[in-house]
Parts: sequence; structure tokens; C-alpha cells
Amino acid sequence: NAGVTQTPKFQVLKTGQSMTLQCAQDMNHEYMSWYRQDPGMGLRLIHYSVGAGITDQGEVPNGYNVSRSTTEDFPLRLLSAAPSQTSVYFCASSYTAGPVGGDTQYFGPGTRLTVL
Amino acid sequence: QKEVEQDPGPLSVPEGAIVSLNCTYSNSAFQYFMWYRQYSRKGPELLMYTYSSGNKEDGRFTAQVDKSSKYISLFIRDSQPSDSATYLCAMSEYGGSQGNLIFGKGTKLSVKP
Repeated sequence: NAGVTQTPKFQVLKTGQSMTLQCAQDMNHEYMSWYRQDPGMGLRLIHYSVGAGITDQGEVPNGYNVSRSTTEDFPLRLLSAAPSQTSVYFCASSYTAGPVGGDTQYFGPGTRLTVL
Repeated sequence: QKEVEQDPGPLSVPEGAIVSLNCTYSNSAFQYFMWYRQYSRKGPELLMYTYSSGNKEDGRFTAQVDKSSKYISLFIRDSQPSDSATYLCAMSEYGGSQGNLIFGKGTKLSVKP
């Protein structure tokens, strides 16, 4: 199993550009989520999905869109990039409801995004 | 006041030392408590998970939860240079969704040979 994969690893955007961060998992996990990690802020949830066709907002959803058309993929779209979106983005997945009940939440390696 | 407080460190200890990492929280409804380890430029990985109050041990790692004090701890015995990483606490009210996890800022630990 490849686990959770994210592409690209690094990206530089100009203000106003749009792009899609890709996330895929090959573990047949129902739950997937996107976090951003900023210095001094910890991990903050952007959006999450409890299954194909179902998504919901997390703590910091503004400026981001998601969709979940398949179990495997959960792309994150930046609609009009802003310098405040400079961050490291992590995708995560788990089989059931995350670590509750002992299930493990697997994180991808991250995408480092810089918006100029 | 942020819901979860965690001292960012950095914390530097000699190899073999006992390490104590802590988080405090304000939401008394939190029931599920986790510790993640994150190596530099990598994604976090789940290290320990505890439900409600009590202790849980796994090898050199012990997680403690004191709900009356709203305080959780992670102890690392016989620390090794390979333990050098950032440790994130996380907690949740509900067990049914990943959407409820609240993370601390993380404590950066360095174990010197």
C-alpha cells in the first residue's frame, strides 16, 4: 500500500491564482480530511469527508473547496490564492471515525505552499 | 483562551532522560485524547490514544489523562535521539467524526546523544 499520497510536494503561486492539491489513499478509508499547519498555530482542520459524496467544513474553510467523488480521492481547491494561505497542507484518512476506538488516522507527507 | 494549550518548547534533554510533555485544555466535554509524533518535514503519526481519564502504556511511552484538572501528559522513558520530533496533543468531544479533533501547537523535543 502506498498509504496517503499528496501532490505536489511544493508549490509557489501568485496572488489570485487557483490550484488543486491532490490527495489519494489506497486503504479504502471512508474518512478523509484536510489540515493546514502554520508556525505557532498547530494543525487546523479545513474540510473533511465521511464518505464519497459527503463533505463538511472544519475550522478554517474560507477560500477552499473540496469534493469527494470517489472513496480514494479528496482534492482541495484554492479558488483565488492569497498570501495568508501560505502554509503546509496535510491530508489524512482513517477507516472509521479517526483515532476513536483505536483506529489510526494516517497523514500524508504534506504539500508546502507559498503564495506570493 | 484557546481550547488546547501546549508549550511549544523547544525542549532539549540528554539521551536516557525521562521526558514529560503536557497539554491543558478548557473544554470539559473532551473525552478522547491523542498524542501524535511529527518528524521534521513529515506528516504526523498517531502515537497514543486514550479515552477519558487514566493511564495507558505502550513500551517506553505512557499517556496520562486527568480530566478533573483538564491536563494530559505524555511520558517518554529512556529517551533516544530517534525520539527527536515535534509532539502534538489532540482531543475531541465526540467519537463519531474526524471533524472534531482540536490540536495543540506541538512541543519540539530534541534528545542529545
